[in-house]
Amino acid sequence: ILNVEQSPQSLHVQEGDSTNFTCSFPSSNFYALHWYRWETAKSPEALFVMTLNGDEKKKGRISATLNTKEGYSYLYIKGSQPEDSATYLCAPDSGTYKYIFGTGTRLKVLA
Amino acid sequence: DAGITQSPRHKVTETGTPVTLRCHQTENHRYMYWYRQDPGHGLRLIHYSYGVKDTDKGEVSDGYSVSRSKTEDFLLTLESATSSQTSVYFCAISDWGQKGNTIYFGEGSWLTVV
Repeated sequence: ILNVEQSPQSLHVQEGDSTNFTCSFPSSNFYALHWYRWETAKSPEALFVMTLNGDEKKKGRISATLNTKEGYSYLYIKGSQPEDSATYLCAPDSGTYKYIFGTGTRLKVLA
Repeated sequence: DAGITQSPRHKVTETGTPVTLRCHQTENHRYMYWYRQDPGHGLRLIHYSYGVKDTDKGEVSDGYSVSRSKTEDFLLTLESATSSQTSVYFCAISDWGQKGNTIYFGEGSWLTVV
């Protein structure tokens, strides 16, 4: 089972602040990394699938980078808004289709 | 929309009774998953399936069994429900598309064991 760590566990920021969090994963047998956004009482929603070292993906104010050699990915949110409040999950993919998620970073954006 | 339907969506059951949750998909995906939501643990994989009659354990499989007798249905059974199995259960499928492999989740099944 892949050892996935996300930090911090929770985060409170003010509206308009930019923030970032980390997903760490084993760098061996890497195939892809998935980021998900999960709002309370809803289903997790895919944000990004990243495969190449140095990959950078962007979706609106949210972006992510990937370092497969050292086994980490950063998720950035620029100008946080209250609607960004959610838990952000990552899951590495070793090509086995067995997806183990990290415990997530719970983000609360205060208006 | 990946065509995933979970049933029941809400259930209250008594300790010691068996419970079966059903996940139904309409798009012939090979891989299907059952996760549970736990405070402080995020989503934890219970079991997954890589084809009809092909299943494997996840992180928290004790007390759960699964079956997949046809492509479209993946059943999760709590053999003898306990209060620690009170949770929200999510079914998921994985689909290979233009953006790579993506996991799509069902809407969740809220289970309370009293």
